Amino acid sequence: DAKTTQPNSMESNEEEPVHLPCNHSTISGTDYIHWYRQLPSQGPEYVIHGLTSNVNNRMASLAIAEDRKSSTLILHRATLRDAAVYYCILRVYSGAGSYQLTFGKGTKLSVIP
Amino acid sequence: GAGVSQTPSNKVTEKGKYVELRCDPISGHTALYWYRQSLGQGPEFLIYFQGTGAADDSGLPNDRFFAVRPEGSVSTLKIQRTERGDSAVYLCASSLNGRLINEQFFGPGTRLTVL
Repeated sequence: DAKTTQPNSMESNEEEPVHLPCNHSTISGTDYIHWYRQLPSQGPEYVIHGLTSNVNNRMASLAIAEDRKSSTLILHRATLRDAAVYYCILRVYSGAGSYQLTFGKGTKLSVIP
Repeated sequence: GAGVSQTPSNKVTEKGKYVELRCDPISGHTALYWYRQSLGQGPEFLIYFQGTGAADDSGLPNDRFFAVRPEGSVSTLKIQRTERGDSAVYLCASSLNGRLINEQFFGPGTRLTVL
């Protein structure tokens, strides 16, 4: 299975940028990098995804290393609502007709007011 | 618009009993997924439906677990002879088309407790 490595936890001050790292040294050329987050007592929520180029959307930015073996999720201004577990996922074609999401333990982000 | 809904939100049952968990996906989404999340862990894939058929059931832990989606919308996850180890939050997700890289939309989950 394609695997990712993330820090167990991180802290950020409110209204400051947050850089959440992810290592995926075994990534293959067709694996997409996805980020989801899970707020307390809720189901996961899609954040962003990319293949090779950096990506921006209204929630965050995704910076992908040139060799694709690591990536960083960037929250430009952390708010208290951003406190969640952030999952970095390699979306791999399962061979059974689906692109499964294989979640790890993620990074628990705490935001300090 | 309406998101993915799951019922019940909480289910407490006794060891050995049968339970059914229901998922209502977003209207028009052809792909539906079931995941299970134990305390402190990330969600674990169970089964994926594309339309009415189970395209990938490789995550089901054993034959006590079964899921159906007879009309290609609502899905039911069925667990027979429940065990204490089945206690977890069961999450359902849907996406526009499972064969493409579409985002998955998750429901709030059903918390199953087996006593």
